[in-house]
Amino acid sequence: DTGVSQDPRHKITKRGQNVTFRCDPISEHNRLYWYRQTLGQGPEFLTYFQNEAQLEKSRLLSDRFSAERPKGSFSTLEIQRTEQGDSAMYLCASSFSVNEQFFGPGTRLTVL
Amino acid sequence: RKEVEQDPGPFNVPEGATVAFNCTYSNSASQSFFWYRQDCRKEPKLLMSVYSSGNEDGRFTAQLNRASQYISLLIRDSKLSDSATYLCVVSGGSYIPTFGRGTSLIVHP
Repeated sequence: DTGVSQDPRHKITKRGQNVTFRCDPISEHNRLYWYRQTLGQGPEFLTYFQNEAQLEKSRLLSDRFSAERPKGSFSTLEIQRTEQGDSAMYLCASSFSVNEQFFGPGTRLTVL
Repeated sequence: RKEVEQDPGPFNVPEGATVAFNCTYSNSASQSFFWYRQDCRKEPKLLMSVYSSGNEDGRFTAQLNRASQYISLLIRDSKLSDSATYLCVVSGGSYIPTFGRGTSLIVHP
């Protein structure tokens, strides 16, 4: 499968714990995006990378959220000190330049 | 005003009907426009790009109206399998994509 993959697919954690999600984009894509989606809403942009450079991070929801893409390939999204309001689907997408994005299956986070 | 607005619906239509959705955007500098389809509990998938001249793909037609700042999606001869949420996406000069909340379509027999 050469599509976008995300791991884990589901994560249940207790409030206050840290979680990290991984995204592997389509190999030839230089852009990688992270979104959060809650029920009944469209994906909400969080941040994106062009190669290894994080070009926009002002939309990250708080300073508890951070993302990396150290070698311009896979990316991680970390949420520190999780809160119940962080429960959502976290989607990753990749694209070549500004063309259409291809989404991964998402990581569903539940914070108890 | 939200950056991208869509009527959430649901639009409930019989098979064979023609249905149209609109999506309005607030940033007049927006440059890229797309329609995505999202099935329940699945990831969004690209349906079609929206060009200034409009484009058509089978039963689907997308239009862009820059003067009034909206894009539209027309689905002809609706099929049961068209039931899904349709998301519009708009990107400005910074190429940060903004999604609408989606419009739910239910096609019934």
